[in-house]
Amino acid sequence: GDSVTQMEGPVTLSEEAFLTINCTYTATGYPSLFWYVQYPGEGLQLLLKATKADDKGSNKGFEATYRKETTSFHLEKGSVQVSDSAVYFCALKNAGGTSYGKLTFGQGTILTVHP
Amino acid sequence: DVKVTQSSRYLVKRTGEKVFLECVQDMDHENMFWYRQDPGLGLRLIYFSYDVKMKEKGDIPEGYSVSREKKERFSLILESASTNQTSMYLCASSFLDTIYFGEGSWLTVV
Repeated sequence: GDSVTQMEGPVTLSEEAFLTINCTYTATGYPSLFWYVQYPGEGLQLLLKATKADDKGSNKGFEATYRKETTSFHLEKGSVQVSDSAVYFCALKNAGGTSYGKLTFGQGTILTVHP
Repeated sequence: DVKVTQSSRYLVKRTGEKVFLECVQDMDHENMFWYRQDPGLGLRLIYFSYDVKMKEKGDIPEGYSVSREKKERFSLILESASTNQTSMYLCASSFLDTIYFGEGSWLTVV
């Protein structure tokens, strides 16, 4: 079945540091890939997405590129802020006909940014 | 603006109680989902529904049931709550490639 693996956390950075959170996946066919973010006490919000190989999703300074050859969708940001402290989830949606939009999630990575 | 509303943010229930978690979406989406979120495990799908009165089991349906009598409302039912069901429960609805989540319901079973 489909699966998503995220880098082990938690990740602790100083403000303005470079961020990478690794995400790899296993899926049949051509899934769509997503990053969701969960701020403290809130539900999940879509951060960015990519629907086909070599697509780059971007939002709020975050980027991720859909790499089919390495089955990866790593999240990057050049300069993190304290307000980026949150839990980040990588997810995929299989394009199969009976998927009904179900997402398969990674285990989440806790990011803490210090001033 | 997109809105998925979960009726209760925080609940404390006793072992053996029947628990109802309610979710309403105002976007006329056909697909709705219940996920459970636990530290280190990410989100796991409990049940989903692709139409009124239609439901499908997700990855961890044991101990849960669902009800979808109206398109906008999707309820999760814990038939007899147990302490291992203490968790954060997230409702979601989807359209095309985007899933929208509610703010979550923290359930503690004592």
